[in-house]
Amino acid sequence: DGGITQSPKYLFRKEGQNVTLSCEQNLNHDAMYWYRQDPGQGLRLIYYSQIVNDFQKGDIAEGYSVSREKKESFPLTVTSAQKNPTAFYLCASRYSRRGDQPQHFGDGTRLSIL
Amino acid sequence: GQQLNQSPQSMFIQEGEDVSMNCTSSSIFNTWLWYKQDPGEGPVLLIALYKAGELTSNGRLTAQFGITRKDSFLNISASIPSDVGIYFCAAASSNTGKLIFGQGTTLQVKP
Repeated sequence: DGGITQSPKYLFRKEGQNVTLSCEQNLNHDAMYWYRQDPGQGLRLIYYSQIVNDFQKGDIAEGYSVSREKKESFPLTVTSAQKNPTAFYLCASRYSRRGDQPQHFGDGTRLSIL
Repeated sequence: GQQLNQSPQSMFIQEGEDVSMNCTSSSIFNTWLWYKQDPGEGPVLLIALYKAGELTSNGRLTAQFGITRKDSFLNISASIPSDVGIYFCAAASSNTGKLIFGQGTTLQVKP
């Protein structure tokens, strides 16, 4: 089945620790995105990547880092600099060579502080 | 910055009733999307709109891209219990595909 796989489903972070959230897609999509969702709020863009080895900051990039070494993979690291990391993190991808292609989402990772 | 105002924030309706929600902005967009999110899951695309004035249906769902390109609405007809969830509007104004999201409308349906 083609789709976007996020892992793990639940993740706990200790103070001062970096954690990495995985996002893999087998849809042959060019562009990938990371969003953060807090209760009662819409999704906010953290980072996005249009092509391999290139990525741009979104609206709330501070305390996060990403890499895009392979087309299929776009991992997100939540660093110790992110002081309020508890949230639901969503990865999305899109076939970007046509402007009229929407984003499709994975099922998310819920990150909590221990 | 760009911002979407989605209303209502929540709705509690009787099964069989019709539902209407909308998103407005002071900015112009090229794309309007409507997603539904179930608890603990990612949003699922319902309808995508790419032309001003476009009216598109998907089963009991109908959405329109406002003629001014600054708004969109979603209607659900004859609601059923599985319509329960959070509905998000999203809009894009560039070819990067970067989306801005509304704050969501939480829909509850009483059987």
